[in-house]
Amino acid sequence: KQEVTQIPAALSVPEGENLVLNCSFTDSAIYNLQWFRQDPGKGLTSLLLIQSSQREQTSGRLNASLDKSSGRSTLYIAASQPGDSATYLCAGLGGSQGNLIFGKGTKLSVKP
Amino acid sequence: EAGVAQSPRYKIIEKRQSVAFWCNPISGHATLYWYQQILGQGPKLLIQFQNNGVVDDSQLPKDRFSAERLKGVDSTLKIQPAKLEDSAVYLCASSRQGTLGANVLTFGAGSRLTVL
Repeated sequence: KQEVTQIPAALSVPEGENLVLNCSFTDSAIYNLQWFRQDPGKGLTSLLLIQSSQREQTSGRLNASLDKSSGRSTLYIAASQPGDSATYLCAGLGGSQGNLIFGKGTKLSVKP
Repeated sequence: EAGVAQSPRYKIIEKRQSVAFWCNPISGHATLYWYQQILGQGPKLLIQFQNNGVVDDSQLPKDRFSAERLKGVDSTLKIQPAKLEDSAVYLCASSRQGTLGANVLTFGAGSRLTVL
């Protein structure tokens, strides 16, 4: 059974810092690994999707990597801004029908 | 394109009452998902539809939860009777039918349920 773990649970950094959010998963048989952003009281916004054959994806200041052999993914945020404050969730897509299993998220706070 | 629509956004009920949530997915998206997100946790899949057929409802508490997707478009999720532990945000998501590796889910804003 797939389990997804995110470390740390919460992170507070000053504006401008580069930071890394970690995600680990127990079952390497995934089709893709997705990173989402969730603002308070809102739904989930897809940030990056890394297919199982890929190693990383980039979008603006965000870079996500995937290492299936070690069961790890990282989300790198460069030059953090207060607007980046949100909860970041990673999820692995697996199973015969494409079931998305989520971690509990990392709550990020970027201080001005 | 229009996003995934959900209603109501908020609902407060007493335990043992019933409640229903509605979801309208993105036009053309064959797959529809209902997730339950309890405060401080990641979303958990309740049920997945492919068109109007159920492909995964293994984590749906079938003694009190039911869901349907008539005509392969809109979907409703019902809870009857509600328990205190059902307090959560119910998220609907949809995706195109295609290769699983490229499967991107689009989520609605969610329906927040409080059971007193």
